Amino acid sequence: EAQVTQNPRYLITVTGKKLTVTCSQNMNHEYMSWYRQDPGLGLRQIYYSMNVEVTDKGDVPEGYKVSRKEKRNFPLILESPSPNQTSLYFCASSLSSGNSYEQYFGPGTRLTVT
Amino acid sequence: ILNVEQSPQSLHVQEGDSTNFTCSFPSSNFYALHWYRWETAKSPEALFVMTLNGDEKKKGRISATLNTKEGYSYLYIKGSQPEDSATYLCALGSIQGAQKLVFGQGTRLTINP
Repeated sequence: EAQVTQNPRYLITVTGKKLTVTCSQNMNHEYMSWYRQDPGLGLRQIYYSMNVEVTDKGDVPEGYKVSRKEKRNFPLILESPSPNQTSLYFCASSLSSGNSYEQYFGPGTRLTVT
Repeated sequence: ILNVEQSPQSLHVQEGDSTNFTCSFPSSNFYALHWYRWETAKSPEALFVMTLNGDEKKKGRISATLNTKEGYSYLYIKGSQPEDSATYLCALGSIQGAQKLVFGQGTRLTINP
């Protein structure tokens, strides 16, 4: 089954404790992206990757890191989480051919930082 | 940061009625316009991606139109059903980067039986 998976789905952590949210897709998509969803703000792009070893900042990259060592995986790293990073996070992937970038979303990770 | 506006923010419609809502974007930055449907406790799913002025796309009872010159897109739902209840998101891929999607805040649609 074609899908984007994220782990963990739910996480409660404390300020300053490094964490990684994994994202994996099995559709051989070149493009992957991370978004956060906050009430009243819509989905905001954190980072995106056009292919292996190619990443770039989205609109809200502060406090986050990403890496793309393999085509299928795009982990999101919070080196020192803070309460303002409490949010619902979505990973997405798409083909980059045709330039449409129709996004396939993962199930979401709900993160709470206390 | 580009501004993508959706209206209304929420909408209640009787089952069987038809409805529509709007996505507005800066026309000078247009590259592609996406519509997604997001049901509660699920993840957003793509409905349409439109790239050409005058594009009209249809999927079952849902259709969308695009006017890139004036910077808006309409999403129509004909004969609303309870399963249409969801938040509908639009997103702009701009000429600065089609892969850098900017989402609107969404229109939350509730269908009353």
